[in-house]
Amino acid sequence: AQKVTQAQTEISVVEKEDVTLDCVYETRDTTYYLFWYKQPPSGELVFLIRRNSFDEQNEISGRYSWNFQKSTSSFNFTITASQVVDSAVYFCALTVTGGGNKLTFGTGTQLKVEL
Amino acid sequence: DTAVSQTPKYLVTQMGNDKSIKCEQNLGHDTMYWYKQDSKKFLKIMFSYNNKELIINETVPNRFSPKSPDKAHLNLHINSLELGDSAVYFCASSPSWNPGNTIYFGEGSWLTVV
Repeated sequence: AQKVTQAQTEISVVEKEDVTLDCVYETRDTTYYLFWYKQPPSGELVFLIRRNSFDEQNEISGRYSWNFQKSTSSFNFTITASQVVDSAVYFCALTVTGGGNKLTFGTGTQLKVEL
Repeated sequence: DTAVSQTPKYLVTQMGNDKSIKCEQNLGHDTMYWYKQDSKKFLKIMFSYNNKELIINETVPNRFSPKSPDKAHLNLHINSLELGDSAVYFCASSPSWNPGNTIYFGEGSWLTVV
Protein backbone atom coordinates (compact mmCIF):
# COMPACT_ATOMS: atom_id res chain seq x y z
CA ALA A 1 0.00 0.00 0.00
CA GLN A 2 1.08 3.54 -0.63
CA LYS A 3 1.40 6.25 1.94
CA VAL A 4 2.17 9.96 1.87
CA THR A 5 3.17 11.78 5.04
CA GLN A 6 3.09 15.52 5.48
CA ALA A 7 4.25 15.90 9.05
CA GLN A 8 3.81 19.66 9.17
CA THR A 9 0.16 20.33 9.93
CA GLU A 10 0.46 24.11 9.94
CA ILE A 11 3.24 26.56 9.17
CA SER A 12 3.13 30.31 9.75
CA VAL A 13 5.65 32.63 8.17
CA VAL A 14 6.01 36.33 7.62
CA GLU A 15 5.82 37.61 4.09
CA LYS A 16 9.10 37.38 2.15
CA GLU A 17 10.36 34.48 4.21
CA ASP A 18 11.28 31.24 2.47
CA VAL A 19 9.34 28.18 3.51
CA THR A 20 9.73 24.47 2.81
CA LEU A 21 6.86 22.02 2.93
CA ASP A 22 7.91 18.45 3.57
CA CYS A 23 6.54 15.35 1.88
CA VAL A 24 7.66 11.79 2.53
CA TYR A 25 6.21 8.91 0.58
CA GLU A 26 6.16 5.13 0.85
CA THR A 27 5.70 2.68 -1.98
CA ARG A 28 7.17 -0.62 -3.09
CA ASP A 29 6.62 0.26 -6.75
CA THR A 30 9.64 1.33 -8.72
CA THR A 31 7.52 3.40 -11.06
CA TYR A 32 5.47 6.08 -9.43
CA TYR A 33 4.43 9.68 -9.80
CA LEU A 34 4.42 12.49 -7.29
CA PHE A 35 2.25 15.57 -7.29
CA TRP A 36 1.67 18.76 -5.39
CA TYR A 37 -1.68 20.51 -5.27
CA LYS A 38 -2.67 23.83 -3.73
CA GLN A 39 -6.02 24.46 -2.06
CA PRO A 40 -6.49 28.19 -1.43
CA PRO A 41 -9.15 29.49 0.96
CA SER A 42 -11.66 29.57 -1.91
CA GLY A 43 -11.51 25.79 -1.87
CA GLU A 44 -10.55 24.61 -5.32
CA LEU A 45 -7.68 22.18 -5.87
CA VAL A 46 -5.00 23.55 -8.15
CA PHE A 47 -2.39 21.32 -9.77
CA LEU A 48 1.18 22.55 -9.24
CA ILE A 49 3.60 19.88 -10.38
CA ARG A 50 4.00 16.27 -11.46
CA ARG A 51 7.22 14.29 -11.18
CA ASN A 52 7.90 10.68 -12.17
CA SER A 53 10.18 8.36 -10.23
CA PHE A 54 12.81 8.27 -12.95
CA ASP A 55 13.32 11.99 -13.02
CA GLU A 56 15.16 13.24 -9.97
CA GLN A 57 15.94 16.62 -11.40
CA ASN A 58 14.85 19.43 -9.21
CA GLU A 59 12.43 21.88 -10.72
CA ILE A 60 11.99 25.60 -10.35
CA SER A 61 8.99 27.59 -11.45
CA GLY A 62 9.18 31.22 -10.45
CA ARG A 63 9.20 31.36 -6.66
CA TYR A 64 8.37 27.66 -6.40
CA SER A 65 10.91 24.87 -6.38
CA TRP A 66 10.73 21.17 -5.75
CA ASN A 67 13.41 18.84 -4.42
CA PHE A 68 12.90 15.15 -5.23
CA GLN A 69 15.22 12.73 -3.41
CA LYS A 70 14.62 9.03 -3.90
CA SER A 71 17.25 8.16 -1.30
CA THR A 72 15.08 9.68 1.42
CA SER A 73 11.71 9.14 -0.33
CA SER A 74 11.02 12.83 -0.14
CA PHE A 75 9.52 15.38 -2.48
CA ASN A 76 9.77 18.71 -0.73
CA PHE A 77 8.33 22.00 -1.91
CA THR A 78 9.95 25.36 -1.27
CA ILE A 79 8.37 28.76 -1.72
CA THR A 80 10.89 31.57 -1.93
CA ALA A 81 9.96 35.05 -0.76
CA SER A 82 6.51 33.96 0.33
CA GLN A 83 3.50 36.17 -0.28
CA VAL A 84 0.12 36.43 1.38
CA VAL A 85 -1.44 34.89 -1.73
CA ASP A 86 0.55 31.72 -1.02
CA SER A 87 -1.63 31.10 2.04
CA ALA A 88 -3.34 27.80 1.35
CA VAL A 89 -3.36 24.13 2.18
CA TYR A 90 -0.79 22.24 0.14
CA PHE A 91 -1.20 18.56 -0.61
CA CYS A 92 1.42 16.11 -1.72
CA ALA A 93 0.10 13.03 -3.55
CA LEU A 94 1.34 9.80 -5.08
CA THR A 95 0.13 7.42 -7.75
CA VAL A 96 1.67 4.11 -8.76
CA THR A 97 1.41 1.77 -11.72
CA GLY A 98 -1.35 -0.79 -11.58
CA GLY A 99 -4.89 -0.19 -10.39
CA GLY A 100 -5.65 2.84 -12.45
CA ASN A 101 -4.73 6.43 -11.95
CA LYS A 102 -5.52 6.81 -8.27
CA LEU A 103 -4.03 9.57 -6.14
CA THR A 104 -3.04 8.84 -2.55
CA PHE A 105 -2.94 12.15 -0.75
CA GLY A 106 -1.06 13.32 2.30
CA THR A 107 -2.99 15.09 5.01
CA GLY A 108 -1.94 18.52 3.80
CA THR A 109 0.04 21.40 5.26
CA GLN A 110 -1.76 24.63 6.05
CA LEU A 111 0.53 27.53 5.16
CA LYS A 112 -0.27 30.96 6.58
CA VAL A 113 1.70 33.89 5.27
CA GLU A 114 1.25 37.05 7.30
CA LEU A 115 2.23 40.62 6.64
CA ASP B 1 -14.34 28.45 -19.73
CA THR B 2 -14.05 26.28 -16.62
CA ALA B 3 -12.28 23.01 -17.46
CA VAL B 4 -14.02 20.85 -14.87
CA SER B 5 -17.27 22.29 -13.63
CA GLN B 6 -19.56 20.88 -11.02
CA THR B 7 -22.95 21.96 -9.72
CA PRO B 8 -24.20 22.84 -7.25
CA LYS B 9 -21.31 24.44 -5.40
CA TYR B 10 -23.20 24.48 -2.12
CA LEU B 11 -25.93 22.11 -1.02
CA VAL B 12 -27.68 21.96 2.35
CA THR B 13 -30.17 19.17 2.77
CA GLN B 14 -31.89 17.09 5.42
CA MET B 15 -31.03 13.58 6.46
CA GLY B 16 -32.81 10.97 4.42
CA ASN B 17 -33.04 13.06 1.28
CA ASP B 18 -31.65 12.08 -2.11
CA LYS B 19 -29.42 14.51 -3.95
CA SER B 20 -27.27 14.69 -7.06
CA ILE B 21 -24.11 16.56 -7.99
CA LYS B 22 -23.38 17.07 -11.66
CA CYS B 23 -19.97 17.30 -13.28
CA GLU B 24 -18.81 18.17 -16.75
CA GLN B 25 -15.35 18.51 -18.26
CA ASN B 26 -14.49 20.26 -21.50
CA LEU B 27 -10.88 19.07 -21.67
CA GLY B 28 -11.58 16.13 -23.94
CA HIS B 29 -10.34 13.75 -21.25
CA ASP B 30 -11.26 10.08 -21.19
CA THR B 31 -11.20 9.57 -17.43
CA MET B 32 -13.25 11.18 -14.70
CA TYR B 33 -13.26 10.84 -10.93
CA TRP B 34 -15.07 11.65 -7.73
CA TYR B 35 -13.00 12.44 -4.65
CA LYS B 36 -14.30 13.17 -1.17
CA GLN B 37 -12.68 15.64 1.23
CA ASP B 38 -13.75 15.19 4.84
CA SER B 39 -13.90 17.73 7.63
CA LYS B 40 -10.21 17.20 8.39
CA LYS B 41 -9.43 17.97 4.76
CA PHE B 42 -8.40 14.42 3.98
CA LEU B 43 -8.89 13.59 0.30
CA LYS B 44 -9.83 10.13 -0.87
CA ILE B 45 -10.93 8.72 -4.19
CA MET B 46 -14.45 7.38 -4.45
CA PHE B 47 -14.92 6.41 -8.09
CA SER B 48 -13.24 6.57 -11.44
CA TYR B 49 -14.74 6.15 -14.89
CA ASN B 50 -12.90 5.70 -18.14
CA ASN B 51 -14.93 6.31 -21.28
CA LYS B 52 -18.17 5.79 -19.35
CA GLU B 53 -16.94 2.56 -17.80
CA LEU B 54 -16.46 2.19 -14.04
CA ILE B 55 -12.86 1.27 -13.27
CA ILE B 56 -12.38 2.24 -9.62
CA ASN B 57 -14.92 1.84 -6.83
CA GLU B 58 -13.32 2.42 -3.46
CA THR B 59 -15.61 0.63 -1.01
CA VAL B 60 -18.10 3.44 -1.05
CA PRO B 61 -21.56 2.71 0.43
CA ASN B 62 -24.01 1.72 -2.27
CA ARG B 63 -26.09 4.78 -1.40
CA PHE B 64 -23.60 6.54 -3.66
CA SER B 65 -24.20 5.85 -7.33
CA PRO B 66 -22.14 7.50 -10.03
CA LYS B 67 -23.44 7.74 -13.55
CA SER B 68 -21.54 8.65 -16.69
CA PRO B 69 -23.84 9.33 -19.65
CA ASP B 70 -20.82 10.17 -21.81
CA LYS B 71 -17.14 10.66 -21.23
CA ALA B 72 -17.53 14.36 -20.59
CA HIS B 73 -20.00 13.92 -17.75
CA LEU B 74 -19.89 12.12 -14.44
CA ASN B 75 -22.73 12.69 -12.00
CA LEU B 76 -22.95 11.55 -8.40
CA HIS B 77 -26.27 10.57 -6.90
CA ILE B 78 -26.57 10.02 -3.17
CA ASN B 79 -29.57 8.27 -1.63
CA SER B 80 -30.78 8.47 1.95
CA LEU B 81 -28.27 11.10 2.99
CA GLU B 82 -26.64 10.74 6.40
CA LEU B 83 -24.92 13.28 8.62
CA GLY B 84 -21.57 11.64 7.87
CA ASP B 85 -21.97 12.38 4.18
CA SER B 86 -21.29 16.04 4.90
CA ALA B 87 -18.09 16.78 3.01
CA VAL B 88 -16.68 18.48 -0.04
CA TYR B 89 -17.02 16.39 -3.18
CA PHE B 90 -14.56 17.02 -5.96
CA CYS B 91 -15.04 15.96 -9.53
CA ALA B 92 -11.87 15.58 -11.59
CA SER B 93 -10.60 14.39 -14.94
CA SER B 94 -7.41 13.20 -16.60
CA PRO B 95 -6.44 12.48 -20.20
CA SER B 96 -6.46 8.74 -19.59
CA TRP B 97 -6.53 6.30 -16.71
CA ASN B 98 -2.86 5.43 -17.08
CA PRO B 99 -1.04 6.08 -13.81
CA GLY B 100 0.77 9.33 -13.76
CA ASN B 101 -1.70 11.28 -15.84
CA THR B 102 -2.26 14.63 -14.21
CA ILE B 103 -5.66 14.89 -12.58
CA TYR B 104 -7.44 18.21 -12.83
CA PHE B 105 -10.05 19.01 -10.23
CA GLY B 106 -13.26 20.99 -10.27
CA GLU B 107 -14.03 23.63 -7.69
CA GLY B 108 -15.76 21.27 -5.30
CA SER B 109 -19.32 20.86 -4.06
CA TRP B 110 -19.90 21.56 -0.37
CA LEU B 111 -22.55 19.19 0.91
CA THR B 112 -24.02 19.76 4.37
CA VAL B 113 -26.50 17.26 5.76
CA VAL B 114 -28.57 18.51 8.69
